[in-house]
Parts: sequence; structure tokens; C-alpha cells
Amino acid sequence: DAGITQSPRHKVTETGTPVTLRCHQTENHRYMYWYRQDPGHGLRLIHYSYGVKDTDKGEVSDGYSVSRSKTEDFLLTLESATSSQTSVYFCAISDTVSSGRSSYNEQFFGPGTRLTVL
Amino acid sequence: AQTVTQSQPEMSVQEAETVTLSCTYDTSENNYYLFWYKQPPSRQMILVIRQEAYKQQNATENRFSVNFQKAAKSFSLKISDSQLGDTAMYFCAFMKHGEWAGSYQLTFGKGTKLSVIP
Repeated sequence: DAGITQSPRHKVTETGTPVTLRCHQTENHRYMYWYRQDPGHGLRLIHYSYGVKDTDKGEVSDGYSVSRSKTEDFLLTLESATSSQTSVYFCAISDTVSSGRSSYNEQFFGPGTRLTVL
Repeated sequence: AQTVTQSQPEMSVQEAETVTLSCTYDTSENNYYLFWYKQPPSRQMILVIRQEAYKQQNATENRFSVNFQKAAKSFSLKISDSQLGDTAMYFCAFMKHGEWAGSYQLTFGKGTKLSVIP
């Protein structure tokens, strides 16, 4: 299994409080991603990073910010949590893999963080 | 933007039987990858199978195989000899290829919940 950990694994917080989720990898992969998973929506990309201090928005970035000061860590922050941000959050990492004449980019997922905002 | 559609929210299959999960996608890209991910009750996202769009040959991994129809933009997953451990959510996902960084994000369908019945 790819070395990806997420902390905390479970968190309950109140509306309006700041929350930071951490993703840590030991694979030295270049790319890191934050997704949220909600019933009936599959996984949707929040933000991603393509290097230290290089990040960009995904499909559902409103209300979230990210930071990546080291290759191994990618932080997701909810500045002021709302009930609509109750979800399961997944971190993923990837890098380019060469396969014969082709190359591809395969994502590996962390175990997820269940966040409940009351 | 790409979209991925899984039209079967839930399916069931008898143990040892064969089941096919459907996935269609919409894209204007010519170079891309398609994936099936499995999410068992443990919540861990597990890659089941990968298909490169430029390859006409359908990918297979043990009991898992795909039927990739590029012109029809269809990518179905066939599970043979179904086992109780195959009970999970299955997600179809799309990834553009050939561009830098940001194109390596995954677009997921909403998932199909598969139950294998003893």
C-alpha cells in the first residue's frame, strides 16, 4: 500500500470553527489531491497540488483552502466550517509511471477523514 | 469538462455468478485513461482496473475485465465468479492524459453499490 496517512480520521466540530485536515505521504510523489465524498455524488475534487507551494482549485473549492510547504504534507483548511461541509474527505497522491512506451498517472488514496459539522 | 455517468445506483448478484456494471462518459479529449475503483465498507479506495484510451484491447485483471467502446464512450466492468468480498461501491473514473499536472485529476461517477448474495 502507498504510504498515505490522514489525520484526524474522525472529527466533530461546530459551525463557524476552523478545521485543518492533514495528509502525509512517504512516497515522495509530486501530485497531491483533496476530494470529498458525499452520498449520490461520488468523489469530487476540492484542490490539488503539483509541487511545493503550487496548488490549484478543483470542482468544489469554495470554502476551502490548501497549503503545501513540504513535499510530504498537504493541508486542507476549512476557515469557518458549515454543515454543508459534513463529508468524508480523501487525500490522494500520484506520480507519473512509465509502462513500456507509454506513461500514466495513477492515484493512490488515503484512508479518509469523516468530518461532521454540527 | 468531462462527465462520467453510472446509471445503476445499486445491483446485486449471486455468489459465483457474473455481473456487469455500466459506465458512460462524455469528453472531447482523444487521449485519456479510464479506471474502476472499488470501495468496500472499510472505505478504502482500491484501484481495480485501468484502461488506456489508445489501446483497443480490453484490460483484464484476474476476474475483472472491461468492455471499452471508445466510439460509444462506454466503459463497463465485468466481474466473473463473484465473491462475497466483491461487495462494495464501485466507481468509474476518467483522467485526461498528455497535459501537465492539473490534467491528472480524476472525474468520478456517482458509484454503483454492488451486493454479492450468498
